Amino acid sequence: SQQGEEDPQALSIQEGENATMNCSYKTSINNLQWYRQNSGRGLVHLILIRSNEREKHSGRLRVTLDTSKKSSSLLITASRAADTASYFCATDAVDTGRRALTFGSGTRLQVQP
Amino acid sequence: DADVTQTPRNRITKTGKRIMLECSQTKGHDRMYWYRQDPGLGLRLIYYSFDVKDINKGEISDGYSVSRQAQAKFSLSLESAIPNQTALYFCATSASGSGQPQHFGDGTRLSIL
Repeated sequence: SQQGEEDPQALSIQEGENATMNCSYKTSINNLQWYRQNSGRGLVHLILIRSNEREKHSGRLRVTLDTSKKSSSLLITASRAADTASYFCATDAVDTGRRALTFGSGTRLQVQP
Repeated sequence: DADVTQTPRNRITKTGKRIMLECSQTKGHDRMYWYRQDPGLGLRLIYYSFDVKDINKGEISDGYSVSRQAQAKFSLSLESAIPNQTALYFCATSASGSGQPQHFGDGTRLSIL
């Protein structure tokens, strides 16, 4: 299976609610990144968290990282209809011979107005 | 103008044809990547290049080839297209170094009949 696996695969919430997406990975990492993809468009980088960080904030986004559990979560607070998109985690693994990010399969978020 | 431009945006072709997808960038990044995206499988890395003289295979390089013609240009070729190469293809770029975000084009939707 892939290095990064998101959970849930799909999430539907009402506007104003919080959305939480989780990512699990298998190998040690240098950093983990979250990306957003609107339908029919390329991915857009949201936030990066390094392996020595536990939590990071950017606007309405909060990312946590637990390296002991090899997992990360992305929280979007006070969601808006415009947050409807797919969200992907991507890991930068430590010295596996792979010098590029590994993307998970994504969480599709639907925010109902 | 977009920083990462992919051409064409859509392409329908027949089995056995040779196809080239092109990517150009104005970000001045050394690193460029080609991914394919299939429903439910996230992004999978085809090839990547860390500078003009560097080409590396990704996890699904069979049936594909690439050319890094200049720092700003990275093209992907399907030598003899087959239907299971029908997918959405993305080009991305990043600056050198660990933890650099990737910047994506808007993709090429390729259908092989």
